[in-house]
Amino acid sequence: EVQLVESGGGLVQPGGSLRLSCAASGFTVSSNYMSWVRQAPGKGLEWVSVIYSGGSTYYADSVKGRFTISRHNSKNTLYLQMNSLRAEDTAVYYCARETGGNSLDYWGQGTLVTVSS
Amino acid sequence: DIQLTQSPSFLSASVGDRVTITCRASQGISSYLAWYQQKPGKAPKLLIYAASTLQSGVPSRFSGSGSGTEFTLTISSLQPEDFATYYCQQLNSYPGTFGQGTKLEIK
Repeated sequence: EVQLVESGGGLVQPGGSLRLSCAASGFTVSSNYMSWVRQAPGKGLEWVSVIYSGGSTYYADSVKGRFTISRHNSKNTLYLQMNSLRAEDTAVYYCARETGGNSLDYWGQGTLVTVSS
Repeated sequence: DIQLTQSPSFLSASVGDRVTITCRASQGISSYLAWYQQKPGKAPKLLIYAASTLQSGVPSRFSGSGSGTEFTLTISSLQPEDFATYYCQQLNSYPGTFGQGTKLEIK
């Protein structure tokens, strides 16, 4: 059974850093495109970043230069390193697997990141 | 960047109604469009991918159509569990984008 479990969210001050983890089971992270998507409280979904199976990465303009997506192959885990956090980064962060059909077929339950002093 | 515009943003309907949600892309994305359903406090659920392919396990009352810049999601006969928020998404090119969402409420 495919499962994605995020962790690492919490309260952080503006300018601070946080690393989110997404532990996968039932499939191999490194063989798939893996994405992060976020949702600010009461708002819509925002695509954040993707890492290809080959290692290429892409970011939303709103996080480029501050966030880094990566993976640990032996741990079968996806990461999102978030630096220079701002209040507008406050959101539930979801990891998701991208299918060959250019869609996200499996999602984690989400982890809440709150940026506030 | 490709923008996706959904309409309407809010939709009030009754059980048994047929409803259609539209998603327009700012430039052509072939058939690389997906639809998701999200209920409060839950992760989104994939309904349709490649514009018209039903994800495994999704009821056949859901259908999608379109290509290029205009796409539709149709629910043929609303069921109580269908009242939720629906999003379109394109991953044809990065950055990926979502529509702003359509909240489907019970009339």
